[in-house]
Amino acid sequence: QKEVEQNSGPLSVPEGAIASLNCTYSDRGSQSFFWYRQYSGKSPELIMSIYSNGDKEDGRFTAQLNKASQYVSLLIRDSQPSDSATYLCASWNRDDKIIFGKGTRLHILP
Amino acid sequence: KAGVTQTPRYLIKTRGQQVTLSCSPISGHRSVSWYQQTPGQGLQFLFEYFSETQRNKGNFPGRFSGRQFSNSRSEMNVSTLELGDSALYLCASSPDSGLNTEAFFGQGTRLTVV
Repeated sequence: QKEVEQNSGPLSVPEGAIASLNCTYSDRGSQSFFWYRQYSGKSPELIMSIYSNGDKEDGRFTAQLNKASQYVSLLIRDSQPSDSATYLCASWNRDDKIIFGKGTRLHILP
Repeated sequence: KAGVTQTPRYLIKTRGQQVTLSCSPISGHRSVSWYQQTPGQGLQFLFEYFSETQRNKGNFPGRFSGRQFSNSRSEMNVSTLELGDSALYLCASSPDSGLNTEAFFGQGTRLTVV
């Protein structure tokens, strides 16, 4: 069973600090990875995609990929209360399917 | 540019009935995927359609089916509804299919089976 694992949280982070969200995946053949943000009662919204080892930055968000360790992370700098949401990690695996983790609830403390 | 549109937004059905959900993808997008989201199981892949063909399928029973029309609009059908089918059904559209293709979600259809 190919899986994407995330800590369910909640992860509480003070406003202005860095929030670090982590994700591991079991299919070594996975090549594409995505982070989605989902506010309560809303649909997932794509934040970042990453395909190569290393870091990818977009504004306050940085995605990190380590294929050797089968590990993906999302860093949110200068966290804001509006960042409070559930963050879903997803990978496109060798079965040509996108698999989602169950998400990490992030709570930014004002 | 209009986003992904799903109709209806909310639906209440009785066990044993069938239901059809509709999804209009972003203009120019040719791939439509369907997902079921529940608190216990998270977001689970149902199937993907690309150029009117089912390209891939998740691990759901045959009661769940779909189709895609020539204008890329897609419908999903669930027959013989069970209480466990109560969930948020999300449609996502992508410009293309396969690796490195980003998916954009609609607002979802909240289905309640009573």
